[in-house]
Parts: sequence; structure tokens; C-alpha cells
Amino acid sequence: AQSVTQLGSHVSVSEGALVLLRCNYSSSVPPYLFWYVQYPNQGLQLLLKYTSAATLVKGINGFEAEFKKSETSFHLTKPSAHMSDAAEYFCAVSVGGNTPLVFGKGTRLSVIA
Amino acid sequence: GAVVSQHPSRVICKSGTSVKIECRSLDFQATTMFWYRQFPKQSLMLMATSNEGSKATYEQGVEKDKFLINHASLTLSTLTVTSAHPEDSSFYICSAPSEWRNIQYFGAGTRLSVL
Repeated sequence: AQSVTQLGSHVSVSEGALVLLRCNYSSSVPPYLFWYVQYPNQGLQLLLKYTSAATLVKGINGFEAEFKKSETSFHLTKPSAHMSDAAEYFCAVSVGGNTPLVFGKGTRLSVIA
Repeated sequence: GAVVSQHPSRVICKSGTSVKIECRSLDFQATTMFWYRQFPKQSLMLMATSNEGSKATYEQGVEKDKFLINHASLTLSTLTVTSAHPEDSSFYICSAPSEWRNIQYFGAGTRLSVL
């Protein structure tokens, strides 16, 4: 079985500061890992994914994440926060193919001007 | 553009009525689709797996007679909330996996409010 733990239900950063959202996973098989962003009352938008290729994954809007097997982590980062980054972020894991995603509880990112 | 279309985006209904939500994959065939439910300020929880041409599989605690799923074609799955009650008010989201891309595409979600 898979599980995801997102540390910090709410993260607040200043505009222009580094964004770091933490995600640790548990999986009995090699995982596929994802970060999604959700704006209020909207669906999920894929930011980036890890599917056993390069461990440093670059996504949209300047986000990236690094898969660290030894730490079972897949933290999301962005060098400089923008006001438009304020949203809910979900880390998710699956075993690929036609299998559902298991989501973390989400981290709400606030960006302060 | 969106590769998974979900309708309606918002539904307000009276208690006891039934509501149907559609999920369509627009540019690929999906033999499997997933239905998730998200309560306010919470994460997405898998409700059921919709399988084209066969019965859906439901997660523990999800009433199959209340949440009817039909996957009649390779591009359409429907979720019907039967005899809806206020406690069914939630955000329902479908997804369709693109197996060869190892990505799941999500619909925009349906906000259900039962009065």
C-alpha cells in the first residue's frame, strides 16, 4: 500500500522568497510521484511528475521537485514565490498504469506581499 | 486544453433528489476512471474505480447503492448520487489515467450542495 505525508498544512512565505513544500511517501514498489495544485473551487492541475527517470523533475510555473529514495521524499520547491502561487498543493503517489492516486492531506501556500 | 471534461461544475438540489455527474475523456480512451470526493479543507479520497464494461469497484465505506457508477463507453463515466442528503454535499472530482503517459488527468470537479 502507498501513503503520503505532507508536513505542514499551511506554509506562508513572502513574495520573492523560496518556496519549500515537503512530501514524504511510503510505497512497497517503485513509486510514481506527483505534485498537483488546486485553486479555490477548481480541479487539480499537474505541476510535475516523477516516473523513474531523472530524479530532479522540473515542472510548470518554475516549480521543481527532487526524488530522494534514501529519504523517501519528494519535496517541491520554487526559488521565488509569486502572489499567483497562493493555492493548495497536493502530493500524490501511485504505482502507475491504471491505478488510482493516493493523496497527501495538502498544504495551503500563502504568499505575503 | 482540458483532456477530461466534467459536468456540471456546480449543482444545488433538494434533499431526496438524484444528481448525475458526467466525466468524459476528450482525446484518449479510458477503460478506467476514478471518482474522488473532497470535503472542505480536506484531501481527495478515492470513492470508486469505474471500469468500462464491468461493475465499478468501491472503496470501503462507500455505499454502492447510493453512488451509482456507469462506464458505458471508453470515454464516458457517470456518477449518480441517489437520494442526496446534506451530508453528501462535497466536491466530486473524476480522473482518467493515460496509461502510456503515466499521468492522470482530472476533471474540473463538481460542487454538490444538497439543501
